[in-house]
Amino acid sequence: NAGVTQTPKFQVLKTGQSMTLQCAQDMNHNSMYWYRQDPGMGLRLIYYSASEGTTDKGEVPNGYNVSRLNKREFSLRLESAAPSQTSVYFCASNGQGEETQYFGPGTRLLVL
Amino acid sequence: AQSVTQPDIHITVSEGASLELRCNYSYGATPYLFWYVQSPGQGLQLLLKYFSGDTLVQGIKGFEAEFKRSQSSFNLRKPSVHWSDAAEYFCAFSGAGSYQLTFGKGTKLSVIP
Repeated sequence: NAGVTQTPKFQVLKTGQSMTLQCAQDMNHNSMYWYRQDPGMGLRLIYYSASEGTTDKGEVPNGYNVSRLNKREFSLRLESAAPSQTSVYFCASNGQGEETQYFGPGTRLLVL
Repeated sequence: AQSVTQPDIHITVSEGASLELRCNYSYGATPYLFWYVQSPGQGLQLLLKYFSGDTLVQGIKGFEAEFKRSQSSFNLRKPSVHWSDAAEYFCAFSGAGSYQLTFGKGTKLSVIP
């Protein structure tokens, strides 16, 4: 039981490049989330998926797209990376009726 | 507006000393409250949570927190800090039935041997 896993752990991009961050959970959770963490800002919600087949915007969705591929996987895509997207990205999940979210180890992204 | 405030950006304590990290929230109803800890380069680990009932909740690693409705606070405490407690601590809340977890900006804890 690995919990929430994220790939890659670290990535360097040039401005304008695209990439997809992958997240998977093996806890049979319905809901999944993408956050970004910036110094002094805490974690801010980018997008979430309440259940398979649905996605919704969070607090800071601009510049990102998401796909809930199946119940296990929730990916975050940057179509044209910008330096302002340099951050640490966390994926999280929780089960139906469960308030506690479980976090992955994070992906550190540097956009030059 | 719904928000959570952690007034202390950085706290330094000596090993063995007591610790209290402050958290205040702004929300129209009783929130679900959480404390998470993040060690350097790691993800977030849940320390404890409060949903209802007893306002003093016990968590992992010897931490506890007390919900005070009158003060809109959920402060985290530990009677004796260990060097391994050095980390960043995040208070967070959500509303009943809400998918949104709102985080404070975090308090970094340094421990002096």
